[in-house]
Amino acid sequence: DSGVTQTPKHLITATGQRVTLRCSPRSGDLSVYWYQQSLDQGLQFLIQYYNGEERAKGNILERFSAQQFPDLHSELNLSSLELGDSALYFCASRGTGVGYGYTFGSGTRLTVV
Amino acid sequence: AQTVTQSQPEMSVQEAETVTLSCTYDTSESDYYLFWYKQPPSRQMILVIRQEAYKQQNATENRFSVNFQKAAKSFSLKISDSQLGDAAMYFCALKTSYDKVIFGPGTSLSVIP
Repeated sequence: DSGVTQTPKHLITATGQRVTLRCSPRSGDLSVYWYQQSLDQGLQFLIQYYNGEERAKGNILERFSAQQFPDLHSELNLSSLELGDSALYFCASRGTGVGYGYTFGSGTRLTVV
Repeated sequence: AQTVTQSQPEMSVQEAETVTLSCTYDTSESDYYLFWYKQPPSRQMILVIRQEAYKQQNATENRFSVNFQKAAKSFSLKISDSQLGDAAMYFCALKTSYDKVIFGPGTSLSVIP
């Protein structure tokens, strides 16, 4: 157990629908990062939050949005889903030391049918 | 812009032998961190080893070591005494002061019994 919790582990939904992915960072970590990994692809950075505020944005579609709540958990909202949104979505958190790498959750496997 | 390149999409190694995975990167910053992550079939992302750019000494973690060539912007991973459990996708990653981590496309490592 990495300490980063993602729910649900698997999600199957239809095109056009909306889903919410949830992430709880490791205790004490203020930063949360969301990544998308499509089949046989590398990890694409979506968005970062730090202590409730958006810090950086990557290749995140306008149909996607995220937020980080006061208790530091984060949610990634995906709407108007398309077949191409099927992917593994990772959440990661990072300690406050500048040299720390990410600690990843186990991911949410989203399948859009 | 920061980039990470892994020129070997696939590699294989005999059990108990040594293998080296290549990674090159590009950044204009002088202070940064480099990581190798392992992603086994379970899809969990696991931090293998990290290197601070300001340190000349190559990082080592048990059977895993790196060859960090700062001038050449090269960061290779050597796995000694390869084990079946080392079979996985390996991602090289770069973190600069912009905080977010950029991942390479990955190298799929197979271990032959």
